Order: sequence, then C-alpha cells, then structure tokens
Amino acid sequence: EAQVTQNPRYLITVTGKKLTVTCSQNMNHEYMSWYRQDPGLGLRQIYYSMNVEVTDKGDVPEGYKVSRKEKRNFPLILESPSPNQTSLYFCASSRSGRTVYEQYFGPGTRLTVT
Amino acid sequence: AQTVTQSQPEMSVQEAETVTLSCTYDTSESNYYLFWYKQPPSRQMILVIRQEAYKQQNATENRFSVNFQKAAKSFSLKISDSQLGDTAMYFCAFMKPPAAASKLTFGTGTRLQVTL
Repeated sequence: EAQVTQNPRYLITVTGKKLTVTCSQNMNHEYMSWYRQDPGLGLRQIYYSMNVEVTDKGDVPEGYKVSRKEKRNFPLILESPSPNQTSLYFCASSRSGRTVYEQYFGPGTRLTVT
Repeated sequence: AQTVTQSQPEMSVQEAETVTLSCTYDTSESNYYLFWYKQPPSRQMILVIRQEAYKQQNATENRFSVNFQKAAKSFSLKISDSQLGDTAMYFCAFMKPPAAASKLTFGTGTRLQVTL
C-alpha cells in the first residue's frame, strides 16, 4: 500500500530536550516536505527536499532541522524544542517533474512541548 | 508571495443540501494550481479536487465542484447532496508551477458541520 508514515503519532516533551520526528514514504517520491498546522493559521511549510541531499527552507524554518540521506526518509529534528513549537506536524511527498502531482500526506504527529 | 484567504471559519449545512465554501487568493503568477483538501476528525489530509489555472472549465469530482473565477481570483467549492461524512475542516491551497518546488500555500480553513 502506498503511504507516508510518521512516528511518533503523539509526543509530549519538555523544553530543550532534542527530538526527532521520522517520516518515510514507499512510493519512490523525489519531493518531500514538512508542514505544521496551527489553529487559525492553516498549514505552513517548514522545510522541503527536492531529492537526496537537497533541502531548503520553507516559510517557518526557525527552530527546525532536516536531512535527506535516503530517498524514502525525511526526518524533522527539533534540537531544542520550545512551547511555541507545540503543533500538529505533517509530512508530505510527491513525484517531481514538469507537471503537478498529488501530494500524499502522512497521518500527522501531535507534539506538545511543556 | 502568494496568500490564500478563507473568510468563513465555520459553516453548517443540513444533510442532502448544497453548501458553498469560499476561497480567494492573491498572486502575480499567470500559471498555477488550486486545490481543496478535506481534513476529517481523523486529521488525515485528503485531496478533494484540483484546478489548473490555464483550464477554463471548472473541475468536478462526483458531488464536489468548483467555481473558478481567474480574474476575480476566486476558487469556491460546492458540495452537493451533503452527507454526514462530509463533516470536516476544508482547506483551500495554492501551488505555483513545479519549478517552484511544489510548495502548497494553505488558507486558514473552514470547518463544515453537516447536520441531520
């Protein structure tokens, strides 16, 4: 089954404790992206990757890091989480090319930073 | 930068009725793509419908259709014969052509409640 998986689905942590949210897709997609969803703000892009070892900032990259060492994986790293990073996080992937392909979203990760 | 505006935070419709969700956007691009996503209580993001700006014909997918007005930069979603399973948050989204890295710019969402 074609899918994007995220782990963990729920996470409660404390300020300053480094964490990683994993994202994996099994569709051989070139493009992967991270979004955060906050009430009244919709979804905003954090980082994206066009392919292995190619990443770039989105609209709200502060406080986050990413890496793309393998095509299927795109982890999101919070080196020193703060309460304002409490949010719902989505990973997405799609093919890349001359046309627009559907973006497949993961199930979301609910993060709470106390 | 592109912006997407959804001016209706919440809407309600009775089962079997028709409802229209509004979306406006601002861009200087001439070629772009527009989407409606549905997010049910499960939080999963589900693509409902898409529209290419260069196509004049409005997209339809079963009970879902759009009214795309390019000059007015308006992209509304019409849901016909509403069903209880349509209860969800609906997001309008904009994308520039693929060369711009496939970023989706989302509106703030409209929460739709379908009632008996």
